Amino acid sequence: NAGVMQNPRHLVRRRGQEARLRCSPMKGHSHVYWYRQLPEEGLKFMVYLQKENIIDESGMPKERFSAEFPKEGPSILRIQQVVRGDSAAYFCASSPLGGPGVILYGYTFGSGTRLTVV
Amino acid sequence: AQTVTQSQPEMSVQEAETVTLSCTYDTSESDYYLFWYKQPPSRQMILVIRQEAYKQQNATENRFSVNFQKAAKSFSLKISDSQLGDAAMYFCAYRSPASGGSNYKLTFGKGTLLTVNP
Repeated sequence: NAGVMQNPRHLVRRRGQEARLRCSPMKGHSHVYWYRQLPEEGLKFMVYLQKENIIDESGMPKERFSAEFPKEGPSILRIQQVVRGDSAAYFCASSPLGGPGVILYGYTFGSGTRLTVV
Repeated sequence: AQTVTQSQPEMSVQEAETVTLSCTYDTSESDYYLFWYKQPPSRQMILVIRQEAYKQQNATENRFSVNFQKAAKSFSLKISDSQLGDAAMYFCAYRSPASGGSNYKLTFGKGTLLTVNP
């Protein structure tokens, strides 16, 4: 089992460009969570998705950020028109179940994508 | 809203000795889950130990143990017989109980950077 795979590992974008971050959950996991880690900070929740559904996007900035988890393929976190303040490490985690199942099985985190905006 | 505070930005320990990392949290809930995660330079978030608030017994995983003081809302991590491979950023995290809303979210502290000196 390859674990949670995130790519790219490092991404450099110029201000105004788009950033696309990909996350492939562990095999058998249908729940995906995205977190952002700003410099010198802990991880902060952004969004929770199931296949084809956004369950909770309360931690996502209202503008420029979007996330999806299609029926086939990885989950994508998209940041449009990036600014310097978007520079951070973005982590994806997955679980086999949501709700109480998360308590039971916990998350598995990926190694993150470090986005640098220049 | 729950908050998690790690008051020690950095700690150091001699190899083979014991170190304790502090964590306090604020919540109005009576049942919840607490975690310590390790983040080595590879950025991978690794679960070290978890504690259910309804359990009075402190969790232990090999050289890692916690001192859970529910009334004081304190959750410290003790690392015994420290090894060079323990050097990492350590994050304390809180999760709401299964019966509550948003029970899939983790709230993290800002982290403590642990250095292990040979």
